[in-house]
Amino acid sequence: GDSVTQMEGPVTLSEEAFLTINCTYTATGYPSLFWYVQYPGEGLQLLLKATKADDKGSNKGFEATYRKETTSFHLEKGSVQVSDSAVYFCALLPYNQGGKLIFGQGTELSVKP
Amino acid sequence: KAGVTQTPRYLIKTRGQQVTLSCSPISGHRSVSWYQQTPGQGLQFLFEYFSETQRNKGNFPGRFSGRQFSNSRSEMNVSTLELGDSALYLCASSLGQSQAPTEAFFGQGTRLTVV
Repeated sequence: GDSVTQMEGPVTLSEEAFLTINCTYTATGYPSLFWYVQYPGEGLQLLLKATKADDKGSNKGFEATYRKETTSFHLEKGSVQVSDSAVYFCALLPYNQGGKLIFGQGTELSVKP
Repeated sequence: KAGVTQTPRYLIKTRGQQVTLSCSPISGHRSVSWYQQTPGQGLQFLFEYFSETQRNKGNFPGRFSGRQFSNSRSEMNVSTLELGDSALYLCASSLGQSQAPTEAFFGQGTRLTVV
């Protein structure tokens, strides 16, 4: 079945460091891909999305490119801030199967000043 | 535009009791999905409702049920609560068009503690 695999955390970085969180997926057809972020005590916030191969999603300095050949959707940011500390979830939405999102296990990011 | 609203935010229940959680989606959204989040299992899909009909269902026992009303508001019910049902329950709303997939927006969740 469809699945998402993320790199394990926690990831600890210094402020202004470069961030990469790896995400690979297994799916039939053409899923849509998403990154969500969860701050402590809150729900999930949509960070960015991509709906077809080679699409690049971007928001708040974060970017991810939908790579069908490597079935990947890695999250990157050039310079992280303390306020980026949160848990990041990669997710896929299978095509033509309604609204059922499949999530990776989440990667906790901690940014130190 | 108001976001997804879940009530209540926190609940404490006793084993064996039942509980009902509520979710009001974003205006115009017809799909509501429910997820259970626990430290051990992560985010697991419970079910999805679209236009008052259950469209998808996850692998949860029959104690977990839901429904959707004509105004798209949704409720989920858990009967005969077990300690393992303690979790953050998240609701998500989306336009819900299968052939034109769009992003889902989440509420802040209901934190259920079973004692």
